[in-house]
Amino acid sequence: AQSVTQPDIHITVSEGASLELRCNYSYGATPYLFWYVQSPGQGLQLLLKYFSGDTLVQGIKGFEAEFKRSQSSFNLRKPSVHWSDAAEYFCAVAPLGGGNKLTFGTGTQLKVEL
Amino acid sequence: DTGVSQDPRHKITKRGQNVTFRCDPISEHNRLYWYRQTLGQGPEFLTYFQNEAQLEKSRLLSDRFSAERPKGSFSTLEIQRTEQGDSAMYLCASSLGSLADTQYFGPGTRLTVL
Repeated sequence: AQSVTQPDIHITVSEGASLELRCNYSYGATPYLFWYVQSPGQGLQLLLKYFSGDTLVQGIKGFEAEFKRSQSSFNLRKPSVHWSDAAEYFCAVAPLGGGNKLTFGTGTQLKVEL
Repeated sequence: DTGVSQDPRHKITKRGQNVTFRCDPISEHNRLYWYRQTLGQGPEFLTYFQNEAQLEKSRLLSDRFSAERPKGSFSTLEIQRTEQGDSAMYLCASSLGSLADTQYFGPGTRLTVL
C-alpha cells in the first residue's frame, strides 16, 4: 500500500528565511503528487501538484516543489517565508488512474517567527 | 463558483446517537470524496462517488457509516450509534472527475462525541 512520510512534525523559521518541507512516498510506481496547506478554520488548499514532465513544479503563493524519482521525494520549498505562511502543510499522493483518492502524510506544522 | 460547502460546521452529540452531515460540491463536479481527519493526523480517505455511484469505500468505513449521493449533487454522510472514537473532522472534497484532476476541499464538519 502507498504511504507518505513527512519526517518533520514542527518547523520554525524566521520571516524572510528560506523554507524546505520534506516529503517521501512509498509506492509501486510514480504516483500523482500534491502539496496542500491547511490554516485554522480553513479547508485544505492546493499549493501545487505533479503529474509528469518538468520535475520542478511552481505553485501558488511563491511555493515550488521538486520531484526526485531516485529519492522518492517531493520536497516543498519557498525562498522567503512570510508570517502569513504559518499553517499546516500536507503532502499527498494519488494512484495513477482509478479515482484519484488521496493518501496524506501526517503534516508539518510551520511556525513563522517575526 | 461558491466552493465546497459543508453543514453543520460543528456537531456535538452523545455516544449512541445518530448524526448526519451534508456536503454540497462545486456545481459542475462529478466526483465527491469524504475524508476523516483526527488530531495530529492527515486526512484519511473514506469513500468517493462518481455522480451518484459510490465507487470505493475504505476499510475505515464501518457498517455504522453510510454515505449517499442520491442525485449526483449533494452528499450525506451518516454515522449511526456514534462512539467516542468517531470524534474527528469530516472533510468533503469534489473534483471534475478527469484523470489526475484537483480535489477542492470544504471547511469540514467537526464532530465531538461525548
